[in-house]
Amino acid sequence: GQQVMQIPQYQHVQEGEDFTTYCNSSTTLSNIQWYKQRPGGHPVFLIQLVKSGEVKKQKRLTFQFGEAKKNSSLHITATQTTDVGTYFCAGNYGGATNKLIFGTGTLLAVQP
Amino acid sequence: NAGVTQTPKFQVLKTGQSMTLQCAQDMNHEYMSWYRQDPGMGLRLIHYSVGAGITDQGEVPNGYNVSRSTTEDFPLRLLSAAPSQTSVYFCASSYGSAYNEQFFGPGTRLTVL
Repeated sequence: GQQVMQIPQYQHVQEGEDFTTYCNSSTTLSNIQWYKQRPGGHPVFLIQLVKSGEVKKQKRLTFQFGEAKKNSSLHITATQTTDVGTYFCAGNYGGATNKLIFGTGTLLAVQP
Repeated sequence: NAGVTQTPKFQVLKTGQSMTLQCAQDMNHEYMSWYRQDPGMGLRLIHYSVGAGITDQGEVPNGYNVSRSTTEDFPLRLLSAAPSQTSVYFCASSYGSAYNEQFFGPGTRLTVL
């Protein structure tokens, strides 16, 4: 079936350090979305990537979509305590399917 | 706009009881979906709908029923609750399809004893 794997499951960093989470699919994705969920909250949309090799930036966050459209990454430069939360990737597989399949998420803890 | 609303926020059930989780959105979104979130397993899609009168199964549909009689509402029914259904349930909606930004509700925390 369609599965989206995400690593690491948990990352603890000191404030100011960088952070990266990786997302992999066994089959080609039509597009990929990234969400952030603060502790006790609900997922909130961050960005969508559609094109092969696409790179998008939002302030300290950099999102990449692999050339084969099977993997993606989110990199945060110089983490802050406000970055704490779980980051999810979510993939669409195109065709007749109209489902958004989420990865398992990466929980980011930032120590001041 | 209230966005996506879910009721109740918390619920405790006994095994075998039935209940309906309510979800409503006021953004005129065609696409609505239900996810469950369990520790270490991310968000798993239960059911989704591309418009009133149309529903389809997601990754983990067993034990859950849905219907979509209006654009605004997408209730999730548990006919006979089981402890394995203890989870946090999120409803989401979007314009048109799963390919667009999903707007999530605040969630319902369900415990089945």
